[in-house]
Amino acid sequence: SQTIHQWPATLVQPVGSPLSLECTVEGTSNPNLYWYRQAAGRGLQLLFYSVGIGQISSEVPQNLSASRPQDRQFILSSKKLLLSDSGFYLCAYRGLGAFFGQGTRLTVV
Amino acid sequence: AQKITQTQPGMFVQEKEAVTLDCTYDTSDQSYGLFWYKQPSSGEMIFLIYQGSYDEQNATEGRYSLNFQKARKSANLVISASQLGDSAMYFCAMRGSNDYKLSFGAGTTVTVRA
Repeated sequence: SQTIHQWPATLVQPVGSPLSLECTVEGTSNPNLYWYRQAAGRGLQLLFYSVGIGQISSEVPQNLSASRPQDRQFILSSKKLLLSDSGFYLCAYRGLGAFFGQGTRLTVV
Repeated sequence: AQKITQTQPGMFVQEKEAVTLDCTYDTSDQSYGLFWYKQPSSGEMIFLIYQGSYDEQNATEGRYSLNFQKARKSANLVISASQLGDSAMYFCAMRGSNDYKLSFGAGTTVTVRA
């Protein structure tokens, strides 16, 4: 069966610090992968999606970037965090709809 | 581009009663899928139910049913016999046939009262 792992669960980072969130999928090959962000009490905004290794498409220009170094690994990064980067980040892979990881709650202070 | 509208920011429902969550959508695609997700306070996104645009029957999954009215472009979720554990945020989402992503509505917070 397919599973998706995302870590860390919570993160508190100072403004200007770097960020790296990792997501891995098991039980499937060449998945379509997504990074979503959710502001408090709001809907999900698609940030990046990837259809294969090294292939990244950005939905929203911002302070973040994504990489896919391996087939089942998807990384969300930032060189310098902003206060506005705070939120709940969800990794997902495409299935019937999408299947989500547990999420990372990021607070930039 | 797909657009999902959920007009109810929050709703209260009495335990054991039914509740209907509204969702309307806009798309030019002929083939598309509609989804509902539940997000409890833990943050995880739990898939509830799916309706394909060509499905003639309304989808049902246990206590969840989707009232699909294609001509009105609505896909309302009905939760029957509400339980305290149903308290959560609920999202409507859709994906077009040639679309790579799910587009989400703003969500509706449901609070079930004992």
